[in-house]
Amino acid sequence: KQEVTQIPAALSVPEGENLVLNCSFTDSAIYNLQWFRQDPGKGLTSLLLIQSSQREQTSGRLNASLDKSSGRSTLYIAASQPGDSATYLCAVYNNAGNMLTFGGGTRLMVKP
Amino acid sequence: SAVISQKPSRDICQRGTSLTIQCQVDSQVTMMFWYRQQPGQSLTLIATANQGSEATYESGFVIDKFPISRPNLTFSTLTVSNMSPEDSSIYLCSVEEPRGNIQYFGAGTRLSVL
Repeated sequence: KQEVTQIPAALSVPEGENLVLNCSFTDSAIYNLQWFRQDPGKGLTSLLLIQSSQREQTSGRLNASLDKSSGRSTLYIAASQPGDSATYLCAVYNNAGNMLTFGGGTRLMVKP
Repeated sequence: SAVISQKPSRDICQRGTSLTIQCQVDSQVTMMFWYRQQPGQSLTLIATANQGSEATYESGFVIDKFPISRPNLTFSTLTVSNMSPEDSSIYLCSVEEPRGNIQYFGAGTRLSVL
């Protein structure tokens, strides 16, 4: 059974810092990996999608990498802003069963 | 990408009542999913709803408590039955894009049970 773990569970940084969020998964037989953003009490916004054949994806200040063989992904946020404050969720799509498995999330606070 | 409308966006309900959540997609999709996110937790899949067949429920979720309808390829409902305070959560529907195994999510329904 696929398990997804995100570290750290919470992170507080001053504005302007570059930061890295980590995601690990136990079964490398994945179709893709997605990073989502969730604001308090709201639904999910997809940030980046990495197919299993890719190593990274970039969107603006965000860069996500994937090392499938070691079961790891990182989300890099450059020059963080208070508006980046949210919970970031990583989810992997398994090859079998059309199942999307979520990590527990990292709650990010960027202080002005 | 699919555009998903979910209603209601939030509700406050009394113990013992039921609430039906609607999910409307702007295009025809085969697979729709319902998730629950309890306070401070990540998302957990409740069930997969395919048009023309019974929903498939994950371990820990049963049809009597969470009946699902899927009358066509653009619409689904999830009912939370006989609610208790433990059902207070965000409920999200999602759809799968046929290419790339990508899921898109609705904005969620924030349910509080008193």
